[in-house]
Amino acid sequence: GAGVSQSPSNKVTEKGKDVELRCDPISGHTALYWYRQSLGQGLEFLIYFQGNSAPDKSGLPSDRFSAERTGESVSTLTIQRTQQEDSAVYLCASSSRQARDTQYFGPGTRLTVL
Amino acid sequence: AQSVTQLGSHVSVSEGALVLLRCNYSSSVPPYLFWYVQYPNQGLQLLLKYTSAATLVKGINGFEAEFKKSETSFHLTKPSAHMSDAAEYFCAVSVSGGYNKLIFGAGTRLAVHP
Repeated sequence: GAGVSQSPSNKVTEKGKDVELRCDPISGHTALYWYRQSLGQGLEFLIYFQGNSAPDKSGLPSDRFSAERTGESVSTLTIQRTQQEDSAVYLCASSSRQARDTQYFGPGTRLTVL
Repeated sequence: AQSVTQLGSHVSVSEGALVLLRCNYSSSVPPYLFWYVQYPNQGLQLLLKYTSAATLVKGINGFEAEFKKSETSFHLTKPSAHMSDAAEYFCAVSVSGGYNKLIFGAGTRLAVHP
């Protein structure tokens, strides 16, 4: 079956603009995670969804970052007023009820803020 | 709190030689442990996981890892390296038993030379 998909694969934006990153999890996966991968910070957890609620938002770096999820489907990560330090690869992962401990990752969105 | 330390940001081996990538963890509760591989411009692929069953875990592509509680280690090995093994490898820890964020190590880049 299809894996986790993310769009766009690359996004270049100007400092101060808002961006939206999309994640489509594996069909039927109830949990969805966002991570960020940057040169300086490595791989960092951002937020976790169980269904459309977010029990753990502890990794969001500032109030410029927000995310939402529609049911057990697509999720959107929004970054407002982007800064150069937001440049990174944003990775999405999902997991199922049957294998809750195993996260499957998408290919990521590479965000470049000029 | 949980953390992961990967010793050696870069490892270089000859084709056919043993691969050993080191991972030590810290966790106040029984951990789940994972190794992921990332090829250039791709997402993370699960190699193997430890979830409190057998301490020697076999994964894909001939890799295996052994959970050693006394040493708080989960080192990744492969008896004979292939050129195709060149990639970045990440060790990760999560709290056992459910949906939980992954805490990643800084990664080890493996180079395989002829």
